[in-house]
Amino acid sequence: KAGVTQTPRYLIKTRGQQVTLSCSPISGHRSVSWYQQTPGQGLQFLFEYFSETQRNKGNFPGRFSGRQFSNSRSEMNVSTLELGDSALYLCASSLPAYEQYFGPGTRLTVT
Amino acid sequence: AQSVSQHNHHVILSEAASLELGCNYSYGGTVNLFWYVQYPGQHLQLLLKYFSGDPLVKGIKGFEAEFIKSKFSFNLRKPSVQWSDTAEYFCAVQLDSNYQLIWGAGTKLIIKP
Repeated sequence: KAGVTQTPRYLIKTRGQQVTLSCSPISGHRSVSWYQQTPGQGLQFLFEYFSETQRNKGNFPGRFSGRQFSNSRSEMNVSTLELGDSALYLCASSLPAYEQYFGPGTRLTVT
Repeated sequence: AQSVSQHNHHVILSEAASLELGCNYSYGGTVNLFWYVQYPGQHLQLLLKYFSGDPLVKGIKGFEAEFIKSKFSFNLRKPSVQWSDTAEYFCAVQLDSNYQLIWGAGTKLIIKP
């Protein structure tokens, strides 16, 4: 079974731009969660989608948004990028109430 | 608000030493419990999990964890660590109310050869 895939793997953007990251979950998984990982803050939960609906949300500003499509693929968008948004963005998929499987992440650098 | 505490942010041990990493959570309901590991340059991967039943669970690579409900704890143990166990370890708690996963801050483990 193929794992969670994330594209792109690396991204460099300029302050003020916006970015869209993509995540394809493991086949059959309908829950997709997004996290921001930084050396200083650790793993921070952004949001979780289940069957195209946002089920849980972390404490991030409205510049961070996401969506999930009918095939369970998910996208995350960050608008008006700030330097502090530089991080590894992780996507994880799961069956409901089961363990999460993580993708390799997208490394976003904002200059 | 619910939270997960990992008591040690950095741990340095010599090979063959015994390991115990603490994890405590604050939530009064039913939980599922997880330990994840992130080896340098690799994905986060599941080390072990507890859903119900025997509170002592065994995971991959010789790791085990014990759920003590009265102490709201789920500590990770390994009797004899190896250099290859150098990694960051995360404890996570899943709430039965909304399936949200609450994460600890992580513990960086360095094993000296």
